[in-house]
Amino acid sequence: AQKITQTQPGMFVQEKEAVTLDCTYDTSDQSYGLFWYKQPSSGEMIFLIYQGSYDEQNATEGRYSLNFQKARKSANLVISASQLGDSAMYFCAMRVVNDYKLSFGAGTTVTVRA
Amino acid sequence: DSGVTQTPKHLITATGQRVTLRCSPRSGDLSVYWYQQSLDQGLQFLIQYYNGEERAKGNILERFSAQQFPDLHSELNLSSLELGDSALYFCASSEGQALTYEQYFGPGTRLTVT
Repeated sequence: AQKITQTQPGMFVQEKEAVTLDCTYDTSDQSYGLFWYKQPSSGEMIFLIYQGSYDEQNATEGRYSLNFQKARKSANLVISASQLGDSAMYFCAMRVVNDYKLSFGAGTTVTVRA
Repeated sequence: DSGVTQTPKHLITATGQRVTLRCSPRSGDLSVYWYQQSLDQGLQFLIQYYNGEERAKGNILERFSAQQFPDLHSELNLSSLELGDSALYFCASSEGQALTYEQYFGPGTRLTVT
């Protein structure tokens, strides 16, 4: 079974600064994918970024980048140049090959201060 | 807007009742997933369908059932409702089942059981 751990329940960040959200995972599978989703207060889940276990480069999508350290089993999300609209809950999730479900961490609430 | 639609947006009902939640996946997506988000259990996978067939089952109660129709929309049926079933129910869809396919989430149906 897969397990995702997000140890930071809440974080504050100043506008225009970068913030790193921690995510560690546990699996015995060699082939897996890691995902980050954003959930604003309105409730919808927004896909941000994906990293495959065999990807050699860290994934980037605009202001989002994923710091993937396979040996440490960590997949931290970095949000650069934070904006007020980045205030939300962020979830790290994982899928392993041949298992269709996403397993989610508990989430981290980010509050961006002006 | 993810392209996944869910109806209704909110549902308030009494214990013991039965409700049906509806989901229309993104155009062209064959896979539909159902997730439950509650304060005590977080985000949990319930069930997945691919092109009309059930492919994976998670922590879905026997009182819950789902199906995917030929037009690919899906319904989640919840019966004999209990207070603990109050949650946000998400439908997600993906183009295929490969690891790299991200799941796009609908806006969710917020169910309140009184």
